[in-house]
Amino acid sequence: AQTVTQSQPEMSVQEAETVTLSCTYDTSESNYYLFWYKQPPSRQMILVIRQEAYKQQNATENRFSVNFQKAAKSFSLKISDSQLGDTAMYFCAFMIIQGAQKLVFGQGTRLTINP
Amino acid sequence: DGGITQSPKYLFRKEGQNVTLSCEQNLNHDAMYWYRQDPGQGLRLIYYSQIVNDFQKGDIAEGYSVSREKKESFPLTVTSAQKNPTAFYLCASGLAQGYHMGYTFGSGTRLTVV
Repeated sequence: AQTVTQSQPEMSVQEAETVTLSCTYDTSESNYYLFWYKQPPSRQMILVIRQEAYKQQNATENRFSVNFQKAAKSFSLKISDSQLGDTAMYFCAFMIIQGAQKLVFGQGTRLTINP
Repeated sequence: DGGITQSPKYLFRKEGQNVTLSCEQNLNHDAMYWYRQDPGQGLRLIYYSQIVNDFQKGDIAEGYSVSREKKESFPLTVTSAQKNPTAFYLCASGLAQGYHMGYTFGSGTRLTVV
């Protein structure tokens, strides 16, 4: 069974700082996707960034980037120039490409951006 | 606009009562999913369906039931057998196969036992 672990239940940084959220996962599969989702206080789940395991290049989306280390099974999210609107729960998630394509989520990290 | 609609936003259930949460999508997605969210536990999969008239149990299916009579709809019934139903429930949809961009989520239903 696949598992996803987020070791930081809560984090807090000042506005404009850079913050990195950690995620590790466990799988014996070689082809999969990894995702970071954001859940603001509205509780709407929003896709932040996506990584395909067969791609070595780290994904980036504006201020958001990942550090994907396949051998270490690590998938951290870096938020640059953090903004108040980045305050949210962040979930790391894993999906095997074959089969039912179910998303397996980590426990989440609550990120607070302080003014 | 395409999306997923969950209703109601808030739902109250009395002890011993069955309640049904609605989930409708107009994204033409084949696959639909139900997740339960509790504090500190992330999202856990209850049931999923990849095609009409077929569905599979997820990790925490006990006390829940679903149906998939139409591609657009995947209602979740929380039965009286679910002993601790108070939680936030999220419905999602996505491609059943191929290039995957992740799920699209509904806005959720907050269920409270009274």
